[in-house]
Amino acid sequence: QVKLVESGGDVVQPGRSLRLSCTASGFTFSHYGMHWVRQAPGKGLEWVALISYDDGSQQWYADSVKGRFTISRDNSKNTLFLHMNSLRPEDTAMYYCATLQVGSLAASDRWGQGALVTVSS
Amino acid sequence: SYVLTQPPSVSVAPGQTARITCGGKNIGTKSVHWYQQKPGQAPVMVVYDDSDRPSGIPERLSGSNSGNTATLSISRVEAGDEADYYCQVWDSSTDHQLFGGGTKLTVL
Repeated sequence: QVKLVESGGDVVQPGRSLRLSCTASGFTFSHYGMHWVRQAPGKGLEWVALISYDDGSQQWYADSVKGRFTISRDNSKNTLFLHMNSLRPEDTAMYYCATLQVGSLAASDRWGQGALVTVSS
Repeated sequence: SYVLTQPPSVSVAPGQTARITCGGKNIGTKSVHWYQQKPGQAPVMVVYDDSDRPSGIPERLSGSNSGNTATLSISRVEAGDEADYYCQVWDSSTDHQLFGGGTKLTVL
């Protein structure tokens, strides 16, 4: 059974850091590109960052997070990470991890249930 | 930068066909994916690569893409189809993934 479980969501003050994790099971994690998508309360979906399959040597970021967030993966632990620095109130959102279909940089057929990040003083 | 435009809302009576559009410049040259999201739940992919359906998605849901508009069609609409729907593409000119603003489907 394919499963993605996010963890690490929390309430943090502006300017602080946080790391989200996404633990995968039920499939060969290293074979798939992965990405993070967020959704602010009452708003639409916003792509955050994407990492290539296998060694994760390629990463892409939305302009809104570039230079502040880092996506990484540990295939030995079947885990995807999102390191978030210099957090801002506008980063408040539910953060979803999702797998990418083989050969695609967008089509996402498996999603976690999300981790809530609240940035507030 | 590339922009995907969706109508904020679409309303349809049960049993009728709902059409949700996603506009973008020359979107017909891109692969478009569609997601359904119900309140409090994660998105679910319902169409990928313009018109393919993942396993488990009913044939009532179909997609098309040409010119400047991609369309998600839901025939014989049911109450359970009520949800937010998002289109998505990869823009190779900016190496960015994009979502449309989302369309709330209301079943009357």
